[in-house]
Amino acid sequence: AQSVTQLGSHVSVSEGALVLLRCNYSSSVPPYLFWYVQYPNQGLQLLLKYTSAATLVKGINGFEAEFKKSETSFHLTKPSAHMSDAAEYFCAVMGFSGGYNKLIFGAGTRLAVHP
Amino acid sequence: EAGVTQFPSHSVIEKGQTVTLRCDPISGHDNLYWYRRVMGKEIKFLLHFVKESKQDESGMPNNRFLAERTGGTYSTLKVQPAELEDSGVYFCASSQDFRTKRNTEAFFGQGTRLTVV
Repeated sequence: AQSVTQLGSHVSVSEGALVLLRCNYSSSVPPYLFWYVQYPNQGLQLLLKYTSAATLVKGINGFEAEFKKSETSFHLTKPSAHMSDAAEYFCAVMGFSGGYNKLIFGAGTRLAVHP
Repeated sequence: EAGVTQFPSHSVIEKGQTVTLRCDPISGHDNLYWYRRVMGKEIKFLLHFVKESKQDESGMPNNRFLAERTGGTYSTLKVQPAELEDSGVYFCASSQDFRTKRNTEAFFGQGTRLTVV
């Protein structure tokens, strides 16, 4: 079975500082991994995904994530935070059931960006 | 191209009443998923349709929840009778087949915020 753990339900950074949101996964098969973002009053938007190609994945808005099999991690980073990055971020792993797929989410990390 | 659309965006009902949520997926997407997020917790899988068939309904909390997808297009999720613990945000997502299109993704609607009082 697959599962996801996001360390830290709330993260606060200053504008211009490094953003690091942590995600560890558990999967009995090579995983597909995703980061989604939810801005206030909006739906979930895909930031980036890992599907067994390059281990360093670049996404939208300057975010990237690195797949580390030895650490079972898929942490999300951004070199310099912007005020507009304030949102809730969800890590997800693709689960497999009966040959079909479903996303299994972590609990989410709310990112606050201070001036 | 229109995205995934959910109706209503908000619903406030009394305990014991019935509520029906609707999801219109992206045209051509055979996969349709329902998820729920209870306050502050993870987004939990409820069920998965492939066209009009229920592929996986292992996440449905109990028999007060009924999901349908007649004709393989839009889907409804009915809660009857609603209880206080059913409050949360219900998300719908749709996708193409991940098995044949590895670069596809699940597109989410804006969610329906359900409050049971």
